[in-house]
Amino acid sequence: EAGVTQSPTHLIKTRGQQATLRCSPISGHTSVYWYQQALGLGLQFLLWYDEGEERNRGNFPPRFSGRQFPNYSSELNVNALELEDSALYLCASSLFSGGEQYFGPGTRLTVT
Amino acid sequence: AQSVTQPDIHITVSEGASLELRCNYSYGATPYLFWYVQSPGQGLQLLLKYFSGDTLVQGIKGFEAEFKRSQSSFNLRKPSVHWSDAAEYFCAVGDSGGSNYKLTFGKGTLLTVNP
Repeated sequence: EAGVTQSPTHLIKTRGQQATLRCSPISGHTSVYWYQQALGLGLQFLLWYDEGEERNRGNFPPRFSGRQFPNYSSELNVNALELEDSALYLCASSLFSGGEQYFGPGTRLTVT
Repeated sequence: AQSVTQPDIHITVSEGASLELRCNYSYGATPYLFWYVQSPGQGLQLLLKYFSGDTLVQGIKGFEAEFKRSQSSFNLRKPSVHWSDAAEYFCAVGDSGGSNYKLTFGKGTLLTVNP
């Protein structure tokens, strides 16, 4: 069974640009979660999508947004990039809301 | 608000020695508890989980953890460490209550294994 996949693996952007990160959940999983792992800040919850709807949001500014598509894949968009957005962005999926989460390999975003 | 404390930032053990990684949580009700492992530059792999029932849970790679409600702890153990266990370990608590589900992670414990 294929795990959670994320693309791209690495992304380099300039301050002020927009970044789009993609995630495909495990087949059959309907919930997708996004986390940011920044140096010195640890793993922080960003967003939770379930059945196409945003269910919960962490303490991040509105320039972090996303969506979930009908096939349950998801996209994270970060607008007006700042240097401190440089981090590993991890996507996870679960079979149902509240179930154990399985993580993808992450997208390393570097903002210069 | 839920929170997780992993008191040990870095632990070094010899190969073959036993291991215990500490985790304390703060949560108002019975939490969902997890341990994940992360190798450098990689995503997180789920080692084990506790939702309810037996307080001693078995996971993959020979790991186990014990939920102690009175101590608000969920420590991870392994009787004999292998060099391949060197990685960073994260304890996490999930909100069992409800609709705003998310995982809250500890800061992690980096495990070094000496030959």
